[in-house]
Amino acid sequence: DIVMTQSPDSLAVSLGERATINCKSSQSVLYSSNNKNYLAWYQQKPGQPPKLLIYWASTRESGVPDRFSGSGSGTDFTLTISSLQAEDVAVYYCQQYYSTPYMYTFGQGTKLEIK
Amino acid sequence: EVQLVESGGGLVQPGGSLRLSCAASGFTFSSYWMSWVRQAPGKGLEWVANIKQDGSEKYYVDSVKGRFTISRDNAKNSLYLQMNSLRAEDTAVYYCARGGEEGPLWFDPWGQGTLVTVSS
Repeated sequence: DIVMTQSPDSLAVSLGERATINCKSSQSVLYSSNNKNYLAWYQQKPGQPPKLLIYWASTRESGVPDRFSGSGSGTDFTLTISSLQAEDVAVYYCQQYYSTPYMYTFGQGTKLEIK
Repeated sequence: EVQLVESGGGLVQPGGSLRLSCAASGFTFSSYWMSWVRQAPGKGLEWVANIKQDGSEKYYVDSVKGRFTISRDNAKNSLYLQMNSLRAEDTAVYYCARGGEEGPLWFDPWGQGTLVTVSS
């Protein structure tokens, strides 16, 4: 199984500042035949289901503010919020969808708070 | 609007069974992989099972293999999860989520979830 490890477990950032969350996979999730990284990011606010933010490691889902960006390749990935807003307080998860057969795994989550 | 609505959760004793349902609307259900993902109280997300559009392929996390069965009825736009031999560690909110057309891929959207509590 591919193990996804996020860092840090929790993060406090001031409003308007940059927030960076890391995700590391135990093996590469880059599919060489199409040069795509099979990694997604989700945001989960209290009492709500998760919401897709980013797929293919860096493609922003429609409607997601452009302050959210994803980067990285292979085994190391980053979710960046360029200018933290109050509504961004949430837990963020990465997820790999590389595994065959289709047995997917999530990171343990990173809790983002306002400093 | 794409919508997924889960039902069927509740309190069940260890060793018992429960069947979850997910009603889909707003998209061509038969064109997408579908999945169940769960979240234990105060914990992170755990993928549970995937099912292909025609039901010909099904995949499960190791901890539920042999106990849980994912199925779908494309005529009713519905996804199901039959859960048998339930254990305390199966206590969680169970989310129904849509996958992709070419494969399960990422999960979008998610339903609001249904809570399953396994306790005596």
